[in-house]
Amino acid sequence: DIQLTQSPSFLSASVRDRVTITCRASQGISSYLAWYQQKPGKAPKLLIYAASTLQSGVPSRFGGSGSGTEFTLTISSLQPEDVATYYCQQLNSYPLTFGGGTKVEIK
Amino acid sequence: QLQLQESGPGLVKPSETLSLTCTVSGGSISSSDYYWGWIRQPTGKGLEWIGTIYFSANTYYNPSLKSRVTVSVDTSKNQFSLKLNSVTAADTAVYYCARGQVAAGYYFDYWGQGTLVTVSS
Repeated sequence: DIQLTQSPSFLSASVRDRVTITCRASQGISSYLAWYQQKPGKAPKLLIYAASTLQSGVPSRFGGSGSGTEFTLTISSLQPEDVATYYCQQLNSYPLTFGGGTKVEIK
Repeated sequence: QLQLQESGPGLVKPSETLSLTCTVSGGSISSSDYYWGWIRQPTGKGLEWIGTIYFSANTYYNPSLKSRVTVSVDTSKNQFSLKLNSVTAADTAVYYCARGQVAAGYYFDYWGQGTLVTVSS
């Protein structure tokens, strides 16, 4: 199984800060990585797919990069509505796996 | 607009079978462009992929659950289903159904709102 390690697990930042979350895969997954945002009591929402493609309707302050084993999700200017937990997911091979999540809060 | 809605009992007794259905509206479940999946999330914890079914009826399951899980599709009702047998308290979670894109990365682009299933006597 491919393990995904997200860091940090918790992040506190100020409004308008640039925020970066890292997801490392235990083996190469090409660009088969997605990022999801989950707010409390809600279903996950797709933000980024194929490592760097922004899903339609997602604000442009969200960006993804990476390939192989190291990936990043960047929020260029953190907004109050971005408070959520963020998960990466690999779709390179079965079983599909998720990272442990990064909880983002406003300082 | 595509919508997915999970339905099924919110309480299941230990050792019994958990059965959930996902009803798809606003689009056809019978398309080779998509696949359909189940994901669960214990309270306060992360996401766990359960299983997936393709248009071809091929299925893939999480090895940790494989001996207990079945995912099936009913195209006549535009629904797909999850059965998890011999449940224990560890299976208590919010269960989500989702649509996966076959092209461009296999990601889950639409999710149901989720349904809480509690395993308790």
